Amino acid sequence: DADVTQTPRNRITKTGKRIMLECSQTKGHDRMYWYRQDPGLGLRLIYYSFDVKDINKGEISDGYSVSRQAQAKFSLSLESAIPNQTALYFCATSDPGGTYNEQFFGPGTRLTVL
Amino acid sequence: RKEVEQDPGPFNVPEGATVAFNCTYSNSASQSFFWYRQDCRKEPKLLMSVYSSGNEDGRFTAQLNRASQYISLLIRDSKLSDSATYLCVVNMVDSSYKLIFGSGTRLLVRP
Repeated sequence: DADVTQTPRNRITKTGKRIMLECSQTKGHDRMYWYRQDPGLGLRLIYYSFDVKDINKGEISDGYSVSRQAQAKFSLSLESAIPNQTALYFCATSDPGGTYNEQFFGPGTRLTVL
Repeated sequence: RKEVEQDPGPFNVPEGATVAFNCTYSNSASQSFFWYRQDCRKEPKLLMSVYSSGNEDGRFTAQLNRASQYISLLIRDSKLSDSATYLCVVNMVDSSYKLIFGSGTRLLVRP
């Protein structure tokens, strides 16, 4: 089984809808992250969490919110989706005691907002 | 100016060729450096970390030049399976968590 899983894998929705993307991990890592990837722009950090009680904004948090329900679960919400939030979304984890802050990524969620 | 810059490519090379990718970063205080590999529509995976002394892993060699703020990746004896996008990644010294990703260099290895 994959160590980092994301659901759904693909989602098409309409402008104004509320969407939740979920991430679960079995790696036992404290740190979790949400990124989005757009063609030509690389991965950009949306939110990150160092533990269940810790939530921090990344470089592009506007229009997004997150919830860290447990060490293993970190969900990303789009309260009112808009077309420019169409992107590939990745969840990642890392171990603060790990080597060089290697991050382990989930398989991604492809979101299309019409 | 982007914090991490890469030539997007694509680099189109025959099997067996040697190919080199370069990456520059803007923050001289950057602390750690990596190359990640990303296959089409898949998640990025760590390929190798990059040390000041340079490091080699099989057919892959990574180099760091702090003075020039430049990172390189050399792939020898290219295989078809090396076709992917290679992401240059920098860890900023002011935030132990934060990885800054380049937009990637695409490699196509042809038979």
